Amino acid sequence: LAKTTQPISMDSYEGQEVNITCSHNNIATNDYITWYQQFPSQGPRFIIQGYKTKVTNEVASLFIPADRKSSTLSLPRVSLSDTAVYYCLVGDDYGQNFVFGPGTRLSVLP
Amino acid sequence: DSGVTQTPKHLITATGQRVTLRCSPRSGDLSVYWYQQSLDQGLQFLIQYYNGEERAKGNILERFSAQQFPDLHSELNLSSLELGDSALYFCASSVVAGGIYEQFFGPGTRLTVL
Repeated sequence: LAKTTQPISMDSYEGQEVNITCSHNNIATNDYITWYQQFPSQGPRFIIQGYKTKVTNEVASLFIPADRKSSTLSLPRVSLSDTAVYYCLVGDDYGQNFVFGPGTRLSVLP
Repeated sequence: DSGVTQTPKHLITATGQRVTLRCSPRSGDLSVYWYQQSLDQGLQFLIQYYNGEERAKGNILERFSAQQFPDLHSELNLSSLELGDSALYFCASSVVAGGIYEQFFGPGTRLTVL
């Protein structure tokens, strides 16, 4: 199972871009990288998923270097409502071997 | 609303007791996952079922068991409860669409063991 390492917490201000990096040194060839967002007392919610290079959707971008041993979630122009815990998840596309990382608690300040 | 339902929303019980948590996946999703989240902790994967059969096992205690029924709903049974079992229990179902594998999480069941 790929193990992930993330910063425990981060602070940012409204309107700034936030980058959260996840390390996954033992990622397997068929593993994908997925990020989830979780608000207190709610279930996690899917943000973005990628295999290599860069993926962008309406809420975030995911940057994955060629060696795939790390990934960076980029949140453009964060707002107070982006205050949450962000989980980096590595696993195969059969849904097996998914391991949630410890999560990064992002606090967005006014 | 993720489409995954969990009942009950809250459950308060005493040590030594047994409880059953119920989950209904999104329509058409064959996989069901169970997770435990203790206060201010990360998500601990417990077990996965796919179309009625156990597919993967995580850090699930022997006092806990689960099953998935023919209609694809799932139940997580927790017995001989201890204070440390107090947590949020999440169920998720999954789908692969457009090359994206995604888990959809339910609202959770908050279990309090007194």
